[in-house]
Amino acid sequence: AQSVAQPEDQVNVAEGNPLTVKCTYSVSGNPYLFWYVQYPNRGLQFLLKYITGDNLVKGSYGFEAEFNKSQTSFHLKKPSALVSDSALYFCAVRDFSYGNNRLAFGKGNQVVVIP
Amino acid sequence: DTEVTQTPKHLVMGMTNKKSLKCEQHMGHRAMYWYKQKAKKPPELMFVYSYEKLSINESVPSRFSPECPNSSLLNLHLHALQPEDSALYLCASSQDTGLAGGETQYFGPGTRLLVL
Repeated sequence: AQSVAQPEDQVNVAEGNPLTVKCTYSVSGNPYLFWYVQYPNRGLQFLLKYITGDNLVKGSYGFEAEFNKSQTSFHLKKPSALVSDSALYFCAVRDFSYGNNRLAFGKGNQVVVIP
Repeated sequence: DTEVTQTPKHLVMGMTNKKSLKCEQHMGHRAMYWYKQKAKKPPELMFVYSYEKLSINESVPSRFSPECPNSSLLNLHLHALQPEDSALYLCASSQDTGLAGGETQYFGPGTRLLVL
């Protein structure tokens, strides 16, 4: 089965500093990778995805992610974090197991941006 | 417009009640999903509808009953729930569930359910 791992439980970063949220994947075949953000008491909001093409993917709210095939990683990045970026971030991979089309989510990373 | 709407936002129900959650999208998407999410955990897939037909049931207890009246609407009927069913219930939609793989799922804001 396809899967993603988010190794850290929480990421703390000072406002204005670069933000990185890590994600590694395990797939057979080509990976279809997604990042979502969830603000408190809200649904998941789509940030960006990698399907094919350029390894650097740009998304919403100034976020970008770099696909690295050799390291099987898809880390989410933002050059300068804002307090409003404090949220729960989920990496996901399309799971074609059992012939169905599901998203396999990582456990999530809580991001805390310190003013 | 990538909006999925859900009603109600909050729901409190007893274990003997019958209630329904509603989800609507007007993006022309042909796949719709129900997820259950516990606090600080990733969403867990419950049901998938593709072209108004149930295509995935993740062994969900029968006290949860989905319904897709048309391509824009998705309901989740609740009956005789247990306190452990308390969670955030998320609806999502995507263009299709086709094996192209690149379709994005767009989520609604969720219904926070409390079962007493």
